[in-house]
Amino acid sequence: DGGITQSPKYLFRKEGQNVTLSCEQNLNHDAMYWYRQDPGQGLRLIYYSQIVNDFQKGDIAEGYSVSREKKESFPLTVTSAQKNPTAFYLCASTETGSNQPQHFGDGTRLSIL
Amino acid sequence: GENVEQHPSTLSVQEGDSAVIKCTYSDSASNYFPWYKQELGKRPQLIIDIRSNVGEKKDQRIAVTLNKTAKHFSLHITETQPEDSAVYFCAARDNQGGKLIFGQGTELSVKP
Repeated sequence: DGGITQSPKYLFRKEGQNVTLSCEQNLNHDAMYWYRQDPGQGLRLIYYSQIVNDFQKGDIAEGYSVSREKKESFPLTVTSAQKNPTAFYLCASTETGSNQPQHFGDGTRLSIL
Repeated sequence: GENVEQHPSTLSVQEGDSAVIKCTYSDSASNYFPWYKQELGKRPQLIIDIRSNVGEKKDQRIAVTLNKTAKHFSLHITETQPEDSAVYFCAARDNQGGKLIFGQGTELSVKP
C-alpha cells in the first residue's frame, strides 16, 4: 500500500548489534503493528500500538523493542538479545474503532552477517 | 484470546478448477474476517473481507462464506488461473485489543 513505507528493504545485522527498522504511514491510522514472517510460515505479531505513546507486546516480543512517539511512525528495534533475527518483517496499520482492513508495508528482510 | 486454524496448508489444482480454503476461529465475539494473498517476497494484500452481519460475500471469482454458529469461514476461488498461485491467509479480529489473528497460511498452486 502506497501509504505505508518501510525502510530499508534489506538489512544486515552483525552479532551483538542493535538495528532499527523504520515504518511510516500517511494514512492517519491510529493503530500500527509489527509482524515477523519466517520462510514458509505465517505472520507472528511482535508488538502493536493503538494510540500514540502506548504499545503492547504481541506473541513474540522478546528481543524486540518499539516506540510510538508520533502517530505516523512506529519503529522496531531488533536488539542483540534476539538470537535468531533472520526473517521478513512486516509493518501494518489500520483505523481503530471499526472493522477496517489492515494495510501492510512492503517489508524489510533482515539477515545476519 | 482468539485462535485461528487454517486448512489445508498446501493445495494444488488444475487451471479452471475451483479452490476452497477453510478456517475456524475460537472467539464467538469476533466479527471481522479478512483474507489476504501473498506472493513470494511481497506484502500480504487484502483480497476480500466479511463482517459478521452477512453470511456470504462475492467479488468476481472470489467468494467468502461465514458460519457464525460453527465458527468457521471459507474462501472460494472459481475458474482458477496460474496467477492465483500464492499463499493465502485468513484472519479474525480479536476483540481484546482489536488486533488480527492470522491462520497459518495455505500455499495454492494452480497448474496450467
